[in-house]
Amino acid sequence: DGGITQSPKYLFRKEGQNVTLSCEQNLNHDAMYWYRQDPGQGLRLIYYSQIVNDFQKGDIAEGYSVSREKKESFPLTVTSAQKNPTAFYLCASSIEGQGAIDTQYFGPGTRLTVL
Amino acid sequence: GQQVMQIPQYQHVQEGEDFTTYCNSSTTLSNIQWYKQRPGGHPVFLIQLVKSGEVKKQKRLTFQFGEAKKNSSLHITATQTTDVGTYFCAGPHYGGSQGNLIFGKGTKLSVKP
Repeated sequence: DGGITQSPKYLFRKEGQNVTLSCEQNLNHDAMYWYRQDPGQGLRLIYYSQIVNDFQKGDIAEGYSVSREKKESFPLTVTSAQKNPTAFYLCASSIEGQGAIDTQYFGPGTRLTVL
Repeated sequence: GQQVMQIPQYQHVQEGEDFTTYCNSSTTLSNIQWYKQRPGGHPVFLIQLVKSGEVKKQKRLTFQFGEAKKNSSLHITATQTTDVGTYFCAGPHYGGSQGNLIFGKGTKLSVKP
């Protein structure tokens, strides 16, 4: 059963702590993305990666870090430098990430709450 | 910079009424995609339009791509409670560092039974 998994579904952390959100895909997609979703804000791109060992900042990368050591995995770390980390985080993947007609497939998301 | 705008932001309808959401791009798009996100869920791809003036239908949903390829619409005929959710349009992002798609902010549809 192919798809994208994110864990955990709900995550609570104390202010000042770093936390890592997991994203795994078995679709054999080259490109992976992290979005943040706040109410009424749509999807805002944090980071994306088009190939292993390479990634680029999106619109709101400050306070976040990523790695892409394996094609299947693209973990996101929310650092203590992120001023307002409470949000719904969505991971997505697409076949190439460069073509003009590349559809994105989303994971179920992780809802992060900072206490 | 490049923008994709959607209106309205919210729409409340009575079950059985029609619904339309509009998407406008600041630049000409090679294609446009539509996604649906159910409450508490994640965006799911609905359809892609590529040709100027293209119209595609999925049961009660009708998607249009404008002649100038800068706007698009999604029309739902006779809404049902299963249509509840947020509908996003997305187009390719040209240049910059924003990945390969730029999303509108979405239209949130609620349906009263």
